[in-house]
Amino acid sequence: NAGVTQTPKFQVLKTGQSMTLQCAQDMNHEYMSWYRQDPGMGLRLIHYSVGAGITDQGEVPNGYNVSRSTTEDFPLRLLSAAPSQTSVYFCASSYPGRMNTEAFFGQGTRLTVV
Amino acid sequence: AQSVTQLGSHVSVSEGALVLLRCNYSSSVPPYLFWYVQYPNQGLQLLLKYTSAATLVKGINGFEAEFKKSETSFHLTKPSAHMSDAAEYFCAVSRSSNTGKLIFGQGTTLQVKP
Repeated sequence: NAGVTQTPKFQVLKTGQSMTLQCAQDMNHEYMSWYRQDPGMGLRLIHYSVGAGITDQGEVPNGYNVSRSTTEDFPLRLLSAAPSQTSVYFCASSYPGRMNTEAFFGQGTRLTVV
Repeated sequence: AQSVTQLGSHVSVSEGALVLLRCNYSSSVPPYLFWYVQYPNQGLQLLLKYTSAATLVKGINGFEAEFKKSETSFHLTKPSAHMSDAAEYFCAVSRSSNTGKLIFGQGTTLQVKP
């Protein structure tokens, strides 16, 4: 089972460039989320989606855009990369439900902005 | 607002010793609580979760955690550390079964000495 797949695994960008981080899940999960991980700060929520066509902001949304046209895919777009966006990005998916609730994470994308 | 505090960014134990990783949360509603483990250059893997059923929760790899409402704590323990337990551990909370919006602690790196 593929689970949550993120591409690319590594990326170097120049300041001002734009790019899209891809995330796909094959578990038919309704919820999908993007987090960034920085040393000493844990993971912080960037954007999330509760279903196709529905997205909302998390704790640190500035500089990022998302859309959710299908259940499977939830891409994260960096509009104009800045060095402060150097981080490891994780995509997660989950299915709402009291007993089975759990978020599944991808392997991460390590982004460096120079 | 919800928050999570993990006491101690680094914990070092000897192989075979007790592992205790501390997590305190704040939440205005009964929380859902999670412990995740991250091995180097990997994504996050769920160790265990509390979803208002039994207060003592058993997880994978011999870990367990106890939900103590009076202390707002959800500490992670393992009776005997193994070298393979060396990793970073994250405590997380969500307001409801919407696990698309997790709030993470800062993380604790566990070192296991031979």
